Order: sequence, then C-alpha cells, then structure tokens
Amino acid sequence: DAKTTQPPSMDCAEGRAANLPCNHSTISGNEYVYWYRQIHSQGPQYIIHGLKNNETNEMASLIITEDRKSSTLILPHATLRDTAVYYCIVRVQDDYKLSFGAGTTVTVRA
Amino acid sequence: GAGVSQSPSNKVTEKGKDVELRCDPISGHTALYWYRQRLGQGLEFLIYFQGNSAPDKSGLPSDRFSAERTGESVSTLTIQRTQQEDSAVYLCASSFRQPNYGYTFGSGTRLTVV
Repeated sequence: DAKTTQPPSMDCAEGRAANLPCNHSTISGNEYVYWYRQIHSQGPQYIIHGLKNNETNEMASLIITEDRKSSTLILPHATLRDTAVYYCIVRVQDDYKLSFGAGTTVTVRA
Repeated sequence: GAGVSQSPSNKVTEKGKDVELRCDPISGHTALYWYRQRLGQGLEFLIYFQGNSAPDKSGLPSDRFSAERTGESVSTLTIQRTQQEDSAVYLCASSFRQPNYGYTFGSGTRLTVV
C-alpha cells in the first residue's frame, strides 16, 4: 500500500544540508509521519516523527506542510555516515506494524 | 544491554534443516517484534510479543515458522525444514510497551538456505 511517495535516490555533498521530500496526500488525521533510515547491513534506525508541528532532534528536522500532505526531512550537515536508504511512513501511534516502501537512497559524497 | 542483539549474524544452512535465530531485546522493553527483509525489499512483519505472549502472529508465513519468548527477554524464531525462499535478513526490534517513539532494531541475522 503506497501511502507515501519518495524520490528513489538523491546525492548530497558532505557538510551540506540534505532535504528529503515525502508526499503523503492521503494521510489521516490521526496518522503521524515517521522517518527511519537503514544503513547497509544494519537494521532500520528511527530518526524522527511528527503529527503536524515541525520537529527537531539531534539527528534531523522534520517540516510538515500545513495541509499535512507532504513533509521534508532535513539532515542539517550531512556526513558520509548518513549514506543510507531513508524511509518515510505514515502510521497511527499505536500501530506496531511497520511497512516500508522503497525509500530514498541517499548518497553523501565527499 | 545497550541495544538489541541478534545471533548469529550470519547463518548458512542446507535446505530442509531447522534453524533457530535469537534476539536479546533492550532490558526493560516489554514489546518485541520479528520482521523479515528479503534482498532489495521492504520489511515484512512476522510476529509481535507483548511480554511473553504473542497477540499477533499473523505475519508468520507458514506453520514451519514459530517463535517464543521467555522471561520477557530473549526470543527465539525457529524455522523448520528451511526452504530457499526463506533466505532473507531476519530483524528483531524491541520497544518499551508500544512503539510510540519508534522501535530499536537489531542488526539482523542473514539467513541463506542453499
């Protein structure tokens, strides 16, 4: 079920901000936007989530549009270790089943 | 422990053999999950434990798959009579009660059935 749409890939220069877009035009009122990433040969890693307000933590910032139909994950200063597949998903908070689409493969170049 | 630990990290087995995959969740995490990820594909939910009980086993692909959890800690996923289509990375995750703030995943067990 393709509830989110992400570009398949993007490149980013080391030290620059990486802005990862995600469309979720059918999001429901009680669904949150979650971002995970998966570095090669590792398990998925939680990054950030939000409902409607913008959120920031030590890893990233999440900007959600006012109509909640799209969002952007911002990695403020990308490093080579941020090279990974980034997944945007929408889910209600107590839904324990994660379902990832294809995600965006982000390659950070020196 | 500091994170979710899975063992073995890699397992190669012959078709028809049984395998056991182990997961040590973060101490105090009552919820534990097993997922499967085939090469180049997304996550496939297998089973969810809350404490020692499994309220949702709906993702187990066949009766060859089973899982148990003892003492609200270690969980074992067992695959009997392995088939080549069982080849995948098996991921375990845990969370404090329900995953409001996201799971913590282990690094997975890469299973190859030859």
